[in-house]
Amino acid sequence: DTEVTQTPKHLVMGMTNKKSLKCEQHMGHRAMYWYKQKAKKPPELMFVYSYEKLSINESVPSRFSPECPNSSLLNLHLHALQPEDSALYLCASSHAPGDPEAFFGQGTRLTVV
Amino acid sequence: KNEVEQSPQNLTAQEGEFITINCSYSVGISALHWLQQHPGGGIVSLFMLSSGKKKHGRLIATINIQEKHSSLHITASHPRDSAVYICAVHQGAQKLVFGQGTRLTINP
Repeated sequence: DTEVTQTPKHLVMGMTNKKSLKCEQHMGHRAMYWYKQKAKKPPELMFVYSYEKLSINESVPSRFSPECPNSSLLNLHLHALQPEDSALYLCASSHAPGDPEAFFGQGTRLTVV
Repeated sequence: KNEVEQSPQNLTAQEGEFITINCSYSVGISALHWLQQHPGGGIVSLFMLSSGKKKHGRLIATINIQEKHSSLHITASHPRDSAVYICAVHQGAQKLVFGQGTRLTINP
């Protein structure tokens, strides 16, 4: 199994809603990443988890709250988002922190209305 | 100036043509990735290079560490190759630095 699985594929939420994005991998990878990608732009790193601990937060607003409950699962909790947060949210994983080989999920396309 | 520059930004070609996409970077790296992103959104890793050349099917990637330059070539291009191709470099920390992407369109 060499997949990173993200759910849901599409999400529409209101600005007062609370929702969560989910990312799962069963490759035994111990580093997991959240990226945000706006239309026609490259992905931007949001968070890095190393061995289930948050190691990098790229000054992301607190309305985005990551969680890594175990080594296979990474969540991104969303609350009080703004329309400008609409984007493709990509999850990735690598064998270990600093390992350059990354595997990407298909992304969740989020629309905030 | 971006740390990773790709050219061209957009490329349209006819089916069967030989395609070259270039990537230059200005930082020291431990590895360089070529990624493919289709309109659906998901990213597929095509190659990871730290030196030399790799080939997979009709795709060839090369890197020149001294010149800080990499190229992605597609032989006998096909409409299904239409996608955005992204160069990304790994600097040894826990992050990738991405280029702006090259939007490739192959017409039948």
